[in-house]
Amino acid sequence: SAVISQKPSRDICQRGTSLTIQCQVDSQVTMMFWYRQQPGQSLTLIATANQGSEATYESGFVIDKFPISRPNLTFSTLTVSNMSPEDSSIYLCSAPGGPSTDTQYFGPGTRLTVL
Amino acid sequence: AQSVAQPEDQVNVAEGNPLTVKCTYSVSGNPYLFWYVQYPNRGLQFLLKYITGDNLVKGSYGFEAEFNKSQTSFHLKKPSALVSDSALYFCAVRASGGSYIPTFGRGTSLIVHP
Repeated sequence: SAVISQKPSRDICQRGTSLTIQCQVDSQVTMMFWYRQQPGQSLTLIATANQGSEATYESGFVIDKFPISRPNLTFSTLTVSNMSPEDSSIYLCSAPGGPSTDTQYFGPGTRLTVL
Repeated sequence: AQSVAQPEDQVNVAEGNPLTVKCTYSVSGNPYLFWYVQYPNRGLQFLLKYITGDNLVKGSYGFEAEFNKSQTSFHLKKPSALVSDSALYFCAVRASGGSYIPTFGRGTSLIVHP
């Protein structure tokens, strides 16, 4: 399995500001993933963070709003830019665990509230 | 395309009774199936998976799930529920030879009453 940590665990932000969420994996992984979980909803994939190349964004998500960095094989950041109350969600980082990549493991999540 | 259906938003069960959380799926080819649990204010924790082999899969915390290919189902079960099992449960599927990224169901809230 993979042990994944995220910072911050929660934050309350003002509209129009930006927040950067950090994700650290305890082993080297090729791909890392960022999800959004809105209140009472399932998980929605935002993007796949690839080391050494630009992130791949899912339909409805754009780089200007959710810029992602992937400086090495164990770390990634997601920035939520120019926030509005609609961005209030839990943001989850995930990565495959171990040499067999059939299972994704998740970080504890970042609970974001935008006022 | 792949999809997952969790037909129940909420399942209520008394402590000590058996529990079942339902999941059906649609995928092209052979499925990889997963169950995750999310406790309040926490991330998702992996419970169990079916990749190949025995249709009955055992996982963490006494949970098990049965893969039924003809019914395209992967129901989560536990013989005796605990109050501490109360949480949100997600089923997920992906195709064995397709995209690595799974599709998640909308989740089922399990409430175990004392």
